[in-house]
Amino acid sequence: AQTVTQSQPEMSVQEAETVTLSCTYDTSESNYYLFWYKQPPSRQMILVIRQEAYKQQNATENRFSVNFQKAAKSFSLKISDSQLGDTAMYFCAFGGGNEKLTFGTGTRLTIIP
Amino acid sequence: DTAVSQTPKYLVTQMGNDKSIKCEQNLGHDTMYWYKQDSKKFLKIMFSYNNKELIINETVPNRFSPKSPDKAHLNLHINSLELGDSAVYFCASSHWGSYNEQFFGPGTRLTVL
Repeated sequence: AQTVTQSQPEMSVQEAETVTLSCTYDTSESNYYLFWYKQPPSRQMILVIRQEAYKQQNATENRFSVNFQKAAKSFSLKISDSQLGDTAMYFCAFGGGNEKLTFGTGTRLTIIP
Repeated sequence: DTAVSQTPKYLVTQMGNDKSIKCEQNLGHDTMYWYKQDSKKFLKIMFSYNNKELIINETVPNRFSPKSPDKAHLNLHINSLELGDSAVYFCASSHWGSYNEQFFGPGTRLTVL
């Protein structure tokens, strides 16, 4: 079974700064997908970024980028030029051959004005 | 245009009652899911359906019975509600395949008194 670990329950950073959220996972599968989802206070789950394990190039979406280290089973999320609207819970998730997402326990990120 | 909708958004009920949560998606997806998010924000899959067929049943008590009348709907019926059932329940949908983004509904906050 896959496991996803987010070791930072809470983080805070000043507006406009850069912050990195950590995620590690464990799996015996070779082909899988990794996701970061955001859950703001509105409770809505929103996909931030996605990475295919077979791609060596790190995914980027505007201010959001990942550092994917397949051998280390690490998948961190970097948020550049952080904005107040980035305040949310961030969940790392693993999608493998069993067609389900396994989520980490989340990191609560607060952007300080 | 709401992509994944759930009703109701809030549900307060007494222990022992039976209740249902409805979910509908208008994205043309063939796969739908139910997740439970507990008080610590941990998100765990309960069920998934593909083309109205049950694919995943994650050791959920049989008091929980999902029903998919068609590909666009996945309802969750809960019998004999218990205090521990209090949580936020999310419906999601996607195209079949673990690499596909799952689109989440707004969640239903269930409180059992």
